[in-house]
Amino acid sequence: KNQVEQSPQSLIILEGKNCTLQCNYTVSPFSNLRWYKQDTGRGPVSLTIMTFSENTKSNGRYTATLDADTKQSSLHITASQLSDSASYICVVSETGGFKTIFGAGTRLFVKA
Amino acid sequence: NAGVTQTPKFRVLKTGQSMTLLCAQDMNHEYMYWYRQDPGMGLRLIHYSVGEGTTAKGEVPDGYNVSRLKKQNFLLGLESAAPSQTSVYFCASSYSTLGEGFGNEQFFGPGTRLTVL
Repeated sequence: KNQVEQSPQSLIILEGKNCTLQCNYTVSPFSNLRWYKQDTGRGPVSLTIMTFSENTKSNGRYTATLDADTKQSSLHITASQLSDSASYICVVSETGGFKTIFGAGTRLFVKA
Repeated sequence: NAGVTQTPKFRVLKTGQSMTLLCAQDMNHEYMYWYRQDPGMGLRLIHYSVGEGTTAKGEVPDGYNVSRLKKQNFLLGLESAAPSQTSVYFCASSYSTLGEGFGNEQFFGPGTRLTVL
């Protein structure tokens, strides 16, 4: 069964610190992996997309990595800000198919 | 551009009542989706549409119906609401690329919080 698992479930960090969120998946055949940010009370918004041939991609203070061999991805947030407090959702899509699997998300709290 | 909008934002129903959730997008996207989001779970696909006049079942379609009479609108109906349908409902849309299926970026609405008593 195709699955996407994220860890940790929740995380509390101090403003200015770095953190790394993890995503493991078993989706096959793999098309791409996206990280979405979901603010409280809002819909998810795409941060990055990783395809099979990409290892690292940055979007400002967000850096995503992908290891297609081990089927793992991470999202690293540098110099966290209060506005980074949100849920971060890992989403994996199948090649050519109408199937996209959403992880349950990691809830990040950034404290002053 | 408004992007993806959803109506209403909140709703409380009694068991057995019916309602329709409206989703509209102004990005000329071919694909539209309805998801539900429950605590501790990932977004689950209820129904989707790959074009005007076409709909298909997703992962959790029971108890819901949909219609896409116009390209920009996707309606989700609950014929006889049950407490198990208490959830936050998200509509999303994406453009289509041959062979990509659902792989393109999905743009989400702000959600509808539904409580069924």
